[in-house]
Amino acid sequence: AQSVTQLGSHVSVSEGALVLLRCNYSSSVPPYLFWYVQYPNQGLQLLLKYTSAATLVKGINGFEAEFKKSETSFHLTKPSAHMRDAAEYFCAVTRKGNKLVFGAGTILRVKS
Amino acid sequence: DAGVIQSPRHEVTEMGQEVTLRCKPISGHNSLFWYRQTMMRGLELLIYFNNNVPIDDSGMPEDRFSAKMPNASFSTLKIQPSEPRDSAVYFCASRPGSGNTGELFFGEGSRLTVL
Repeated sequence: AQSVTQLGSHVSVSEGALVLLRCNYSSSVPPYLFWYVQYPNQGLQLLLKYTSAATLVKGINGFEAEFKKSETSFHLTKPSAHMRDAAEYFCAVTRKGNKLVFGAGTILRVKS
Repeated sequence: DAGVIQSPRHEVTEMGQEVTLRCKPISGHNSLFWYRQTMMRGLELLIYFNNNVPIDDSGMPEDRFSAKMPNASFSTLKIQPSEPRDSAVYFCASRPGSGNTGELFFGEGSRLTVL
């Protein structure tokens, strides 16, 4: 069975600071990994995905994530936080064609 | 292009009433998913369909919940009778192709409040 664990239900950073949201996965076969973002009162939007190509994946809004098999991690980063990045972020895992399993989510707060 | 369309966006009902949530997936997408989101449980997959056929309904909490997909452009999630613990945001999502890498496109959700 596949699963993801997001470390930290809440993360707070200052505007302009580095954003680091942690995600560790568990999968018996090479996984596909995703980060989604949810703004208040909206559905989830895809930020980026890893599908066994390049291990460093660049997404929208300046976010990127690195797949590290040795650490079973897929942490999300952004060099400089902006107020508009305040949202809830979900890591998710699947195998090809299978259902998507989401983590518990991390709420990002950006302080001015 | 239109995204995934859900209705109603908000529903307030009384315990015991029937609730029907509707979803129109993106045209051409072969898979459709129903998720429930609550503060306590996060995002839970209730059921998903491939080519209108239910594949996995193990997440459906009880017999009070049922889902149908009569054709490729429409799905319903029904709760009968509803209970206060069913209060949540229900999301529908669709995906192109059954063998896809799993990217889902979400609707904006239906917020259900059962009094």
